[in-house]
Amino acid sequence: QKEVEQNSGPLSVPEGAIASLNCTYSDRGSQSFFWYRQYSGKSPELIMFIYSNGDKEDGRFTAQLNKASQYVSLLIRDSQPSDSATYLCAVFTGNQFYFGTGTSLTVIP
Amino acid sequence: GAVVSQHPSRVICKSGTSVKIECRSLDFQATTMFWYRQFPKQSLMLMATSNEGSKATYEQGVEKDKFLINHASLTLSTLTVTSAHPEDSSFYICSADRTSGGATDTQYFGPGTRLTVL
Repeated sequence: QKEVEQNSGPLSVPEGAIASLNCTYSDRGSQSFFWYRQYSGKSPELIMFIYSNGDKEDGRFTAQLNKASQYVSLLIRDSQPSDSATYLCAVFTGNQFYFGTGTSLTVIP
Repeated sequence: GAVVSQHPSRVICKSGTSVKIECRSLDFQATTMFWYRQFPKQSLMLMATSNEGSKATYEQGVEKDKFLINHASLTLSTLTVTSAHPEDSSFYICSADRTSGGATDTQYFGPGTRLTVL
């Protein structure tokens, strides 16, 4: 079992819709959770982190964490074509970072 | 957000030469830095964890004699690809672990170095 699992996609949503990206992790003691965005040919860029159960909002992005279910998600409201990228979920256990393989998102104009 | 730089951004070299890539944390100190490699349309692959003042920890399957890592200071780690061959052509990305007092460790990525070996 991988430490961090993501659906590789591709996920396609129409412009203006909500994109929902999901991630599960195996280490119940994990402390912090991150979402990175990676455009094709570029390096990952941190867009959000969360470490408390519940929701954390930043502009059009909302990260949701459910530690009981070992589940973290990223919602992108009012999706724009410029949101088309691969989204990486990462987990910090207190000792190590683990990355998912990424979910490819395409926002269709 | 924290800033991590890499140099060079792009390098083309002949087979058999060695290439050095620098990774710097510009506005914070990083005890730990990471080196990744990414082939086209594939996931990030962690190559090694670089710790300031000690030897790097390499992931399984990564040749430590081929990929030399030096973390000489709290703001600089270097990766040297020795005797590069065409199969080493890839996108090399570093990241630095920023530890904030009372908050979580966070990895910030450099912009990457695209290596092409002819």
